[in-house]
Amino acid sequence: DAKTTQPTSMDCAEGRAANLPCNHSTISGNEYVYWYRQIHSQGPQYIIHGLKNNETNEMASLIITEDRKSSTLILPHATLRDTAVYYCIALYGATNKLIFGTGTLLAVQP
Amino acid sequence: EAGVTQSPTHLIKTRGQQATLRCSPISGHTSVYWYQQALGLGLQFLLWYDEGEERNRGNFPPRFSGRQFPNYSSELNVNALELEDSALYLCASSLSGTGGETQYFGPGTRLLVL
Repeated sequence: DAKTTQPTSMDCAEGRAANLPCNHSTISGNEYVYWYRQIHSQGPQYIIHGLKNNETNEMASLIITEDRKSSTLILPHATLRDTAVYYCIALYGATNKLIFGTGTLLAVQP
Repeated sequence: EAGVTQSPTHLIKTRGQQATLRCSPISGHTSVYWYQQALGLGLQFLLWYDEGEERNRGNFPPRFSGRQFPNYSSELNVNALELEDSALYLCASSLSGTGGETQYFGPGTRLLVL
């Protein structure tokens, strides 16, 4: 299972785009990149995932570099409710084991 | 559509007792996962059940066990409770156990061992 590296914390102004980076330089070809967030020790909330191509849904966009060694989660218009710990995870389908690191604490400022 | 549900929301036990935590997956999901989030340790994978069988297990002692019922709901049992078992226990479910399916989490059960 590949390890991911994320900054400990980031700030973002309300209404601006939040760009959260993740490094997964040892990711293998069959590992998905997943993003979850956790607010106040609630259950983690699924955001988005991808394998090779960039992905977009109603919550966010995921940009994966061509060599798949890093990715960026983009929240296009951050709100105060987006303040949370964001986890980037490389998921190997055979084990289906999400390995959570320490994540990035995103603080959206008014 | 209802999400993953867990019961109870809070549980208080004393050292040496047994705790039973329950999880109902999203309707149609056959895989259930258990994670532990202890203070200062982050989220750690505990167990994965699919179609009634244990498929994978994390680095936890055998006193952590569970099962999955024919209706795909699941139970996590923790025997001989220790103080360090105090944690938020999270259950997740996925549509199937194949190929990296998205896991959706419930709200968790907060276990306090005194």
